[in-house]
Amino acid sequence: EAGVAQSPRYKIIEKRQSVAFWCNPISGHATLYWYQQILGQGPKLLIQFQNNGVVDDSQLPKDRFSAERLKGVDSTLKIQPAKLEDSAVYLCASSLSGEDTEAFFGQGTRLTVV
Amino acid sequence: GENVEQHPSTLSVQEGDSAVIKCTYSDSASNYFPWYKQELGKGPQLIIDIRSNVGEKKDQRIAVTLNKTAKHFSLHITETQPEDSAVYFCAPSGRYSTLTFGKGTMLLVSP
Repeated sequence: EAGVAQSPRYKIIEKRQSVAFWCNPISGHATLYWYQQILGQGPKLLIQFQNNGVVDDSQLPKDRFSAERLKGVDSTLKIQPAKLEDSAVYLCASSLSGEDTEAFFGQGTRLTVV
Repeated sequence: GENVEQHPSTLSVQEGDSAVIKCTYSDSASNYFPWYKQELGKGPQLIIDIRSNVGEKKDQRIAVTLNKTAKHFSLHITETQPEDSAVYFCAPSGRYSTLTFGKGTMLLVSP
């Protein structure tokens, strides 16, 4: 079974530039999550989708971050404009139903904002 | 939202010793309690989980115990091995089945 795929693996941008991350969840998984993990901390939820609807985006900085899940499958996360404090690993995860089932994580995208 | 605290933040043990990591949470509605292991450069991976209708679950050298009244659950690793060295996260599930991660415990197992 293929895992959660994310791209790119690494990205370096200057502050105020824009960047986009892509995620392809495990086939058949209805729930998709984007987490931000700052070095030395635990992952923090940015947004959670159930199929193509948003379940929770309470911690998403909506003035600069946006996310969409096309046709309930792939998802993109965008930052525009980026700030230095956005430097982190962005993790995508998926689960079968989201109802207390195992979440499978991708390897993440390491973003460095300079 | 859910407040999650994890202790200790770092734990050093000798190979063969046992390790225990404790997680406390605030949301009394939480009913799913997983532990994740994260190795360098990788995403977190589930190692064991427990649901609120069970007090303890064991899988070979790994066990999880749950005390819902006190709102805490613990990860127990016996006969530790160097390959157990990693960062461990608790992530109780609350509203919308959202996983809220603790700050992590870095476990170092010395040969």
